[in-house]
Amino acid sequence: EVQLVESGGDLVKPGGSLRLSCAASGFIITDAWMTWVRQAPGKGLEWVGRIKSKADGGTTDYAAPVKGRFTISRDDSKNILHLQMDSLKSEDTAVYYCTTVHLGLDNWGQGALVTVSA
Amino acid sequence: SYELTQPLSVSVALGQAARINCVGNNIGNRNVHWYQQIPGQAPVLVIYRDYKRPSGIPDRFSGSNSGSTATLTISSAQAGDEGEYYCQVWDSSAAVFGGGTKLTVL
Repeated sequence: EVQLVESGGDLVKPGGSLRLSCAASGFIITDAWMTWVRQAPGKGLEWVGRIKSKADGGTTDYAAPVKGRFTISRDDSKNILHLQMDSLKSEDTAVYYCTTVHLGLDNWGQGALVTVSA
Repeated sequence: SYELTQPLSVSVALGQAARINCVGNNIGNRNVHWYQQIPGQAPVLVIYRDYKRPSGIPDRFSGSNSGSTATLTISSAQAGDEGEYYCQVWDSSAAVFGGGTKLTVL
């Protein structure tokens, strides 16, 4: 059974950094395309970025609001996906979900809350 | 950038059919996916590639896509179907979501 568990959410000041982790089980993350999706309080879903499988080059793509500030990476030895977030802004406050990409966005974690506030 | 437009809310009587539209430029030429989000929970994929159902999704859920409109239909809405529904497509390597539709079952 595929499971995704996010961790690392916290309260951080504007301009600060935070790294989220997504621990995967039931599959090997290097074989999968994966995304991060966020949801601001009371708002809809917003795509953050994607990493392709190793076989497809392992490249990343990012949404315009986070490009240059956020970085998606994998720790293959631990089967963990990371989202490094730098230069955080108040508008980055949201629940962050990691997902697999296959049929659609097939499997979702429970989410990690990131609050950016002074 | 590509945009998807959904109604803010849809209401349906218990046991009746609910239809949620997703409008986009020539959306019929794209694969549309639909997600259900029950309050306090993570989204769940309910329809992929316009009309296909993942395993475990009741056959009350169906989808169609043509022209400028994709539609999610719940044939006999239940109280447990209440929540937010989002359509999604891929556009130039980016996932695009509709704004979401709140389904209320009366």
